[in-house]
Amino acid sequence: KNEVEQSPQNLTAQEGEFITINCSYSVGISALHWLQQHPGGGIVSLFMLSSGKKKHGRLIATINIQEKHSSLHITASHPRDSAVYICAPVVGNQFYFGTGTSLTVIP
Amino acid sequence: DAGITQSPRHKVTETGTPVTLRCHQTENHRYMYWYRQDPGHGLRLIHYSYGVKDTDKGEVSDGYSVSRSKTEDFLLTLESATSSQTSVYFCAISTTSGTPYEQYFGPGTRLTVT
Repeated sequence: KNEVEQSPQNLTAQEGEFITINCSYSVGISALHWLQQHPGGGIVSLFMLSSGKKKHGRLIATINIQEKHSSLHITASHPRDSAVYICAPVVGNQFYFGTGTSLTVIP
Repeated sequence: DAGITQSPRHKVTETGTPVTLRCHQTENHRYMYWYRQDPGHGLRLIHYSYGVKDTDKGEVSDGYSVSRSKTEDFLLTLESATSSQTSVYFCAISTTSGTPYEQYFGPGTRLTVT
């Protein structure tokens, strides 16, 4: 079974701060998915990565397959970034989900 | 937008009654999944399908059954609902073109069993 741990569980930041969310997992994977869940409940795909780094706007995701670790960074955070961020390591066609990091960005 | 809809979006039902949730996709994806989401837990897999009439159990399949008679529809049935099945249910599809697969979610169904 793939154990997935995210840290921190909860995070409060001031607008403009640089934010890092971490994800560690226990088994070998083919890729890792980062997802965002808004307060209304919808789940949106942010990144799928299998190596290195990906950037989309103010969001950056990195992964180190050998160390079984991934990070999601948000630069210049904004209140609209307030959401739950979920990492999901992928093994074949199976996705394993962390419990999420709840981010609140205060104006 | 992967064209995934779920119905109903909200349902309140009584213990012991059967309930069927529907997931519909418009883009002919092979893999479909049913998850439940509860406080303190990550999304947990109930069942998944890898084609018409091809399904398999996930980690929390007890009390649930599924059917997939058409590519576009994946049904989740609670044969006799219990209060422990009160949850938010998400359907998802994963793309199979290219590697790695990416997963897209429906809007969710909030089920309350009283």
